[in-house]
Amino acid sequence: EVQLLESGGGLVQPGGSLRLSCAASGFTFSSYAMSWVRQAPGKGLEWVSAISGSGGSTYYADSVKGRFTISRDNSKNTLYLQMNSLRAEDTAVYYCASSRGYSGYPDAFDIWGQGTMVTVSS
Amino acid sequence: DIQMTQSPSSLSASVGDRVTITCRASQSISSYLNWYQQKPGKAPKLLIYAASSLQSGVPSRFSGSGSGTDFTLTISSLQPEDFATYYCQQSYSTPATFGQGTRLEIK
Repeated sequence: EVQLLESGGGLVQPGGSLRLSCAASGFTFSSYAMSWVRQAPGKGLEWVSAISGSGGSTYYADSVKGRFTISRDNSKNTLYLQMNSLRAEDTAVYYCASSRGYSGYPDAFDIWGQGTMVTVSS
Repeated sequence: DIQMTQSPSSLSASVGDRVTITCRASQSISSYLNWYQQKPGKAPKLLIYAASSLQSGVPSRFSGSGSGTDFTLTISSLQPEDFATYYCQQSYSTPATFGQGTRLEIK
């Protein structure tokens, strides 16, 4: 079964750090670009960051550039998002998602995890 | 960044109705337009990619059309399970941007 499973969310104080993980199974993880997409409570979807299948190319939304770092370990079929200098406005459910095709990013996102909640509050 | 604008923001309809949701891009995106369905507390689900291609496993009552800047998602005959929020997303250039969503409610 094709599956993405996020972990690592939680409550963190403003200025703090958190590392999210996304474990993939059921497909050839290294062949596909991966992204993080977030959704603030009651709000719409916002793309956050993407990484190519090889890990050689990374992309960031302006809102997180310089604070977040995306990475992947293809030997472990796992995607990561290191989040530093967290702000209240980073509070959201964070989803990992796989690009649909081999063309990389940007693309449609056809496989999504269940999401992990990040709350930034004192 | 390419801005995506959906209309309407919310819509009330009945089971069996034909429904159309519109998405407009701030510049031409060719056919690099995708549609998602999201139900409360769940992850989004890809319905349509490349403007008009039906994702595997998605019922044929869903269809997409358009190119350039104007796109539509049509549900030919609403089913109870279709009441959800729908998002468009452009995959023409980074950052990949989403519309603000259209909430489809039961009348």
